[in-house]
Amino acid sequence: KNEVEQSPQNLTAQEGEFITINCSYSVGISALHWLQQHPGGGIVSLFMLSSGKKKHGRLIATINIQEKHSSLHITASHPRDSAVYICAVRSTTSGSRLTFGEGTQLTVNP
Amino acid sequence: GAGVSQSPSNKVTEKGKDVELRCDPISGHTALYWYRQRLGQGLEFLIYFQGNSAPDKSGLPSDRFSAERTGESVSTLTIQRTQQEDSAVYLCASIREGGRPWVPDTQYFGPGTRLTVL
Repeated sequence: KNEVEQSPQNLTAQEGEFITINCSYSVGISALHWLQQHPGGGIVSLFMLSSGKKKHGRLIATINIQEKHSSLHITASHPRDSAVYICAVRSTTSGSRLTFGEGTQLTVNP
Repeated sequence: GAGVSQSPSNKVTEKGKDVELRCDPISGHTALYWYRQRLGQGLEFLIYFQGNSAPDKSGLPSDRFSAERTGESVSTLTIQRTQQEDSAVYLCASIREGGRPWVPDTQYFGPGTRLTVL
């Protein structure tokens, strides 16, 4: 079992829909990252969380430390949101290294 | 200011050759990561540098891989005797980590070097 699991693996939505991507992890963490990777390969860090909730524009990230679970929400989705969304954790026992989920491929159709 | 830059953007080499990949982090960023992403797969951690501390090399897949960083500047990742399974995008990220290790910070990724081993 991977230390970081994301669901769903693939998600197709219509423009305007509310989207949720989930991340579950099995280790104690000091931080959780949500990353966005566009088709060209470039990676952008969206959020870094250690507790609670963060919001940036149409993106919202939440984390529940007790349940070892985080969600990334996209409101009013748009085709330009189409990308791979990656969850990564920095565990409290593995020093500085990050452990990545497999990613969620999101496609938003017009 | 400028972001993280990597060079070359693409590298095609023959099996058995050595390659050197370069990462220029954001000025003032004390920490630097190297990652690898094979085609259709997730990101894999390779190595982490933080200031003058000993690097965390726990992700390097074999002794053919090595990396150096002088102070808080440029880092190079060297792959000796390349194999076809080394083909991947190699990504570098830098972080402005402070002196409090329990306070994580946002990673800024470079555009990557796409390595193809024929």
